[in-house]
Amino acid sequence: AQSVTQLDSQVPVFEEAPVELRCNYSSSVSVYLFWYVQYPNQGLQLLLKYLSGSTLVKGINGFEAEFNKSQTSFHLRKPSVHISDTAEYYCAVTTSGTYKYIFGTGTRLKVLA
Amino acid sequence: EPEVTQTPSHQVTQMGQEVILRCVPISNHLYFYWYRQILGQKVEFLVSFYNNEISEKSEIFDDQFSVERPDGSNFTLKIRSTKLEDSAMYFCASSGGRVEKLFFGSGTQLSVL
Repeated sequence: AQSVTQLDSQVPVFEEAPVELRCNYSSSVSVYLFWYVQYPNQGLQLLLKYLSGSTLVKGINGFEAEFNKSQTSFHLRKPSVHISDTAEYYCAVTTSGTYKYIFGTGTRLKVLA
Repeated sequence: EPEVTQTPSHQVTQMGQEVILRCVPISNHLYFYWYRQILGQKVEFLVSFYNNEISEKSEIFDDQFSVERPDGSNFTLKIRSTKLEDSAMYFCASSGGRVEKLFFGSGTQLSVL
């Protein structure tokens, strides 16, 4: 069975600073990886996904993530954050042998003025 | 962008009562999901539904839970006899393909008293 670990429950960062949100996964088969964002009182929205091909994936709102198979990681980065990026961020994994997506415990990104 | 619609946004019920949570997935989507999020905890998979049947379910999805797609547009989650621990935000999601972006609704906050 696959699993996802998000190592940081909260990440405070100042506006315009870079940020990295960490995600590690565990799976015995090939994985598909996703990052979702959840703003207060809303559902989850897809930021980006890795299915295959280039290990550097670019998403919406200036976010990108790099798939690292040897480190079983899929960390999310943004070079310069805005106040509006304050939200909960979830890493998720699925595989071709399952119909479910497994979500991590989430990282609360708080951008400070 | 197309949306997944969930109703009601809030549902309060007494322990032991039946509740039905309703979702209207995106019209040409084929895969449907229910997830729940207990306050302060991670997003948990409940069930996936494809081709008019359950394709996968979690251990949370016991005999008290059922799903239905009664008319080709709605997708419902029924909890037959609610327990206090069923209190959570329930999210419906749909996707157009097996490994595709999940579109989430805004959720139904279920409170069991």
